[in-house]
Amino acid sequence: QVQLVQSGAEVKKPGASVKVSCKASGYTFTSYGISWVRQAPGQGLEWMGWISAYNGNTNYAQKLQGRVTMTTDTSTSTAYMELRSLRSDDTAVYYCARRRWGSSPAEDYWGQGTLVTVSS
Amino acid sequence: DIQMTQSPSSLSASVGDRVTITCRASQGISNYLAWYQQKPGKVPKLLIYAASTLQSGVPSRFSGSGSGTDFTLTISSLQPEDVATYYCQKYNSALSTFGQGTKLEIK
Repeated sequence: QVQLVQSGAEVKKPGASVKVSCKASGYTFTSYGISWVRQAPGQGLEWMGWISAYNGNTNYAQKLQGRVTMTTDTSTSTAYMELRSLRSDDTAVYYCARRRWGSSPAEDYWGQGTLVTVSS
Repeated sequence: DIQMTQSPSSLSASVGDRVTITCRASQGISNYLAWYQQKPGKVPKLLIYAASTLQSGVPSRFSGSGSGTDFTLTISSLQPEDVATYYCQKYNSALSTFGQGTKLEIK
C-alpha cells in the first residue's frame, strides 16, 4: 500500500533552516511527483510547491521562491523540503503528498505531517 | 495568479440535509479542480478530482460538478462523520492554489 512517512518534529530559531524528509513506499517513486503543503495553527492549507520525481523539475509558490528547495533521492524513494531564513510565521505542520500529473492531477496520498516550530 | 474563493466560509446543517459548497476561480481552469476533506486533527483526504470524478473509496453521497470558473461540492445526505473542513484546489498549471476552506458542522 502507498505510504509516505515524514521525519519528526523540529524546533528552530528564527533565521535558521529546516529540512523535512518524506520516504515513499508502495509505488513506483519516479512515476509521480511529491507536493509539499503546510498548515499554520488554526489556518487553512497552503500549497508550497512540487517536484517531479521523474526528472527533478520543481515548481514553487511565488511567495516562497528563493527560500525553499525541494529535492528527491530516487535511490531511497525519499523527498526533501528545505526552508531557509525561518520566521515565526513559518511555524506550521508540513505535509508531503504524492502528486499525480497528466489529465487528472491531484494529491492522492499524504504523509502524516511534520510540525516545525520557529521560536527564539 | 489565479485565486480560488470558497463560499460559505462556514456552514451548519442537520443530519440528512443536502449540503453544497462552492468554489470560484478568478480565471477559467477547465476541469482542473480537486476537493479535499480535512477532519479535525487529521491529514487531508482527496475526495474528488477532475472536478467531478470520485476518488476510490469515497462514499457516493459526495459529488462534484462544474467547469471553467464555478464549481460545487455536494453532499447528498449529511452524515455525522462528514464534520470537517473542505478545500478546493486548482491544477490548471504547474502551480496549485487552495481555496480558503469551508468548515462544516452539524446543527
